Amino acid sequence: GAGVSQSPRYKVAKRGQDVALRCDPISGHVSLFWYQQALGQGPEFLTYFQNEAQLDKSGLPSDRFFAERPEGSVSTLKIQRTQQEDSAVYLCASSSIYPGGEGGSAFFGQGTRLTVV
Amino acid sequence: ILNVEQSPQSLHVQEGDSTNFTCSFPSSNFYALHWYRWETAKSPEALFVMTLNGDEKKKGRISATLNTKEGYSYLYIKGSQPEDSATYLCAFNSGTYKYIFGTGTRLKVLA
Repeated sequence: GAGVSQSPRYKVAKRGQDVALRCDPISGHVSLFWYQQALGQGPEFLTYFQNEAQLDKSGLPSDRFFAERPEGSVSTLKIQRTQQEDSAVYLCASSSIYPGGEGGSAFFGQGTRLTVV
Repeated sequence: ILNVEQSPQSLHVQEGDSTNFTCSFPSSNFYALHWYRWETAKSPEALFVMTLNGDEKKKGRISATLNTKEGYSYLYIKGSQPEDSATYLCAFNSGTYKYIFGTGTRLKVLA
């Protein structure tokens, strides 16, 4: 596809259930990010991959959160034993280079809205 | 702790009105400031990447300015149209791969 694709678009989970959120980045993009947007807040950084290497997972809120990108393309964000405070929109983004300056804007997916009941 | 603030949180304008909103960010360790437009049910779309103090960028009816010394950027929309209705996010970058986002400005343009 032309853009970043995330699935599912919506997920309702019962408290305590495990969930897996998928991200298909733009083909060939080296960098991949996960962000979490809680209601009324801006997106907050969760984790960063460069190819298959997870270089930064400092934003993951707890050890219930786990992300992987085993072949350097598709990434999965897994949340174990979901809690109500995990309810948020989870955004995935990718970029072809180290993002930041001119030409370095990341491309975002539509997000997965997770609701834990 | 790096703090990025946007104001107003939300606003409603009439079609044809011009409007602007603000993004405030740390004036130290500045590398880039990104503006995104996020329409409901769509992906956030990159509008501008701004890196130089005094920079001004334009895309159609939308323009943005940057003041890195005082730590703010303005986004202007001239002659707002209903299709401009969206949340406008700014993201500060200090030279790492992380974006620090503001909470966004939700714009509703009334026909």
